[in-house]
Amino acid sequence: AQTVTQSQPEMSVQEAETVTLSCTYDTSESDYYLFWYKQPPSRQMILVIRQEAYKQQNATENRFSVNFQKAAKSFSLKISDSQLGDAAMYFCAYRWGNDMRFGAGTRLTVKP
Amino acid sequence: EAGVVQSPRYKIIEKKQPVAFWCNPISGHNTLYWYLQNLGQGPELLIRYENEEAVDDSQLPKDRFSAERLKGVDSTLKIQPAELGDSAVYLCASSSAGLSTDTQYFGPGTRLTVL
Repeated sequence: AQTVTQSQPEMSVQEAETVTLSCTYDTSESDYYLFWYKQPPSRQMILVIRQEAYKQQNATENRFSVNFQKAAKSFSLKISDSQLGDAAMYFCAYRWGNDMRFGAGTRLTVKP
Repeated sequence: EAGVVQSPRYKIIEKKQPVAFWCNPISGHNTLYWYLQNLGQGPELLIRYENEEAVDDSQLPKDRFSAERLKGVDSTLKIQPAELGDSAVYLCASSSAGLSTDTQYFGPGTRLTVL
């Protein structure tokens, strides 16, 4: 079974600094998708970034970028120039076919 | 464009009582998902609909949980009777075609507390 592991239950970062959230996953498939979702206290899960496994180039979305290491089954999220509004739970997710699995999440605190 | 709508946002009930949650997906989205999110954990799929057909309900506890999506638009998730362990957030999500390439869009969830 595919599993997603987020080894950092909590992280904190100073405003304007950079932080990296870790995610590893286990799969025997070669063609799949990876996602980072943000969940603020309002509970609305918001897609931050997605990566297709067949693409070698790392996805970027403004201040958010990923480091996708397919052989190592690693998918970390880098947030640059952190802002107070980035404070939230961040979930890493893996999708193969219609099977989508989430990690347990990392709570990110941004200090002013 | 309106997002996924869920109601109620909060629900508190006594154990053994029934409860129902409602979800209205994004207009035009054929695929609808219900997820369970326990405190401190990521969402776990309960059931997935393609239009009005439940195509994956393997994780739905069918002894007490039921769901329907009449006319392939709105959906209702019901628990009867509720147990203490059902206290959690119930998330609804939708996507346009249910393919791997599709992004799932989530609603704000319903926080259920069973006393």
